[in-house]
Amino acid sequence: GESVGLHLPTLSVQEGDNSIINCAYSNSASDYFIWYKQESGKGPQFIIDIRSNMDKRQGQRVTVLLNKTVKHLSLQIAATQPGDSAVYFCAENTPGVKAAGNKLTFGGGTRVLVKP
Amino acid sequence: ETGVTQSPTHLIKTRGQQVTLRCSSQSGHNTVSWYQQALGQGPQFIFQYYREEENGRGNFPPRFSGLQFPNYSSELNVNALELDDSALYLCASSLNREWTGELFFGEGSRLTVL
Repeated sequence: GESVGLHLPTLSVQEGDNSIINCAYSNSASDYFIWYKQESGKGPQFIIDIRSNMDKRQGQRVTVLLNKTVKHLSLQIAATQPGDSAVYFCAENTPGVKAAGNKLTFGGGTRVLVKP
Repeated sequence: ETGVTQSPTHLIKTRGQQVTLRCSSQSGHNTVSWYQQALGQGPQFIFQYYREEENGRGNFPPRFSGLQFPNYSSELNVNALELDDSALYLCASSLNREWTGELFFGEGSRLTVL
C-alpha cells in the first residue's frame, strides 16, 4: 500500500548546527503532512504541519518544506540543541471515506543524535 | 502535556490471553484513534472511534476491537494475543472526525506478549 518513508535512519548533528531530516511520500492525493518528535518512553509530540497548498512553513527554530513535484518533505531544525535528540516521524493524512481527516500514515522515523 | 491519558503504562501478557487498554481523550475532543507502534517503527493506524462508533479501520484483524463511551473515552481490546502484538499502543484524540489537523497523543501503553 501507500506509505511514507525516510531516507536516513540516524542523523548525528553537532550542537548548534542545523539539522535536515528528509521524508518521501508516495500518495500524491495526500493533502496534509505533519512532523512529530518522539522522545524515549513518550508519545509523539507535534512539531509542525503543512498543507498541500503550501510549499514552506516556519515555526520556532523549525521549517518544513514540501515539494509536491517529487513528493518530498523535509524538516529543518536551526541551531540544534541537546533537547532535540529524539526520533522524528513524518506523517501524511490519508483521505478516505470513513476515516476522513484523522488517519495518519507514518514513516519509519529518523533518530537525531545531538553531539555536545 | 496533551491531556490524553492512557492506562496501564506497561503490562505483560502471554500468548492467547486477552488485553484491554484504556484512553481518556483531551477535553472537548470527540474522536479517538488508536495506533500500534512496534519497536523501531512508526505508528500504524488501527482504527478510529467517533461518537461511540467505529469510523475507519486500518489493516488489523478482527481480534482487535474497540469501544468508545459517551464521555468519549475509549478502550482497545485485543483477543488471542500473539507474540507480534508486542508493541506500544498509542491513543490520539482530535476535535472531530473531519479535523485535518494535529492529533494529540498519549504516552502509550507498552504491551509485552510472552
